[in-house]
Amino acid sequence: SQQGEEDPQALSIQEGENATMNCSYKTSINNLQWYRQNSGRGLVHLILIRSNEREKHSGRLRVTLDTSKKSSSLLITASRAADTASYFCATDVGASYDKVIFGPGTSLSVIP
Amino acid sequence: DTAVSQTPKYLVTQMGNDKSIKCEQNLGHDTMYWYKQDSKKFLKIMFSYNNKELIINETVPNRFSPKSPDKAHLNLHINSLELGDSAVYFCASSRSPMNTEAFFGQGTRLTVV
Repeated sequence: SQQGEEDPQALSIQEGENATMNCSYKTSINNLQWYRQNSGRGLVHLILIRSNEREKHSGRLRVTLDTSKKSSSLLITASRAADTASYFCATDVGASYDKVIFGPGTSLSVIP
Repeated sequence: DTAVSQTPKYLVTQMGNDKSIKCEQNLGHDTMYWYKQDSKKFLKIMFSYNNKELIINETVPNRFSPKSPDKAHLNLHINSLELGDSAVYFCASSRSPMNTEAFFGQGTRLTVV
């Protein structure tokens, strides 16, 4: 099974609402990252949170990390149609934490 | 300027053929990666190179051979293509193996018919 798994698999909301996506992982990590992928495009890095951090903000994005529960959440506030994309969490694993494993992603649709 | 560029963007080829995908990054990064994304959007790491040296090889068939002529380039050659190789292949780079914030190329959609 995968290291990181996002929940839900798909999310549909109205513009202006908040969107919350969750990520769970299995092994200890050094960092956890969130990426966005627009349809037909490459992944874009959104935010990195270190294992000793609990919360991080970037614009309308808020990421939390709970290492005791091995979970993270990504909150997008005041969503816009342009936020429609797939969102992936990625954790670094391995003896040197030099291998990044991506979860299957959450597909977010923001309806205008 | 495109930070990580890969060519071609689309590749349609017949089973059994050999094909290459090229990747270049102009970010001055030491580490480059190849990822495969399947039809369900699951992204799996294939290879990682640091300063032209292979550091990660994830149980990829030996029909896949990466080549890094210098640290700004990581090409992927695939021999004897199979139907199951159809996917989107992404090249990415990061500053170092330990700094894993990655910059991705636009992807190459490979279709094997």
